[in-house]
Amino acid sequence: AQSVTQLGSHVSVSEGALVLLRCNYSSSVPPYLFWYVQYPNQGLQLLLKYTSAATLVKGINGFEAEFKKSETSFHLTKPSAHMSDAAEYFCAVTTRGSQGNLIFGKGTKLSVKP
Amino acid sequence: ETGVTQSPTHLIKTRGQQVTLRCSSQSGHNTVSWYQQALGQGPQFIFQYYREEENGRGNFPPRFSGLQFPNYSSELNVNALELDDSALYLCASSLFQMNTEAFFGQGTRLTVV
Repeated sequence: AQSVTQLGSHVSVSEGALVLLRCNYSSSVPPYLFWYVQYPNQGLQLLLKYTSAATLVKGINGFEAEFKKSETSFHLTKPSAHMSDAAEYFCAVTTRGSQGNLIFGKGTKLSVKP
Repeated sequence: ETGVTQSPTHLIKTRGQQVTLRCSSQSGHNTVSWYQQALGQGPQFIFQYYREEENGRGNFPPRFSGLQFPNYSSELNVNALELDDSALYLCASSLFQMNTEAFFGQGTRLTVV
């Protein structure tokens, strides 16, 4: 069975500071991993995905994530936070050969202070 | 902006009633998945439809049912609504078993009173 744990339900950073959102996964087979962003009253937008190619994945809006198998982690980072980054972020996992249904973490709400 | 559209955007129903939510998948996608997102939680997988048949189901009771049509659009039906069914219902379209990415619609906010 797969699962995702997002450490920290709420992260607050200052504008221009480093953003680090943590995600650890559990999977008995090689996983596919995703980060989605959700703005208030909206659906989910894909930020980036890991599908067994390069371990450092670059996404939209300056975000990137590194797949670390030894740590079962897929943390999301951005060097410099913008006010527009304030949103909720979800990490999700699925596996090759599954129905493709995503298992989501509980989410991390990112606040950006001016 | 994705091509996945959901209707209606908001809905208020009374406990015990039935509701139908609709989803049009992105062009070229043949699979539709439905998720329930309760307030303050991550989305939870309800079920997936491929070739007009249910192809995987999460931990939801049978009163949650669905349909997929030949044009790959889909409906989610919920019977005997309960207060705990109040949530954002998200539809996602993808290519079957490609496990690459799913594109989500904006969701339908269902409130059960």
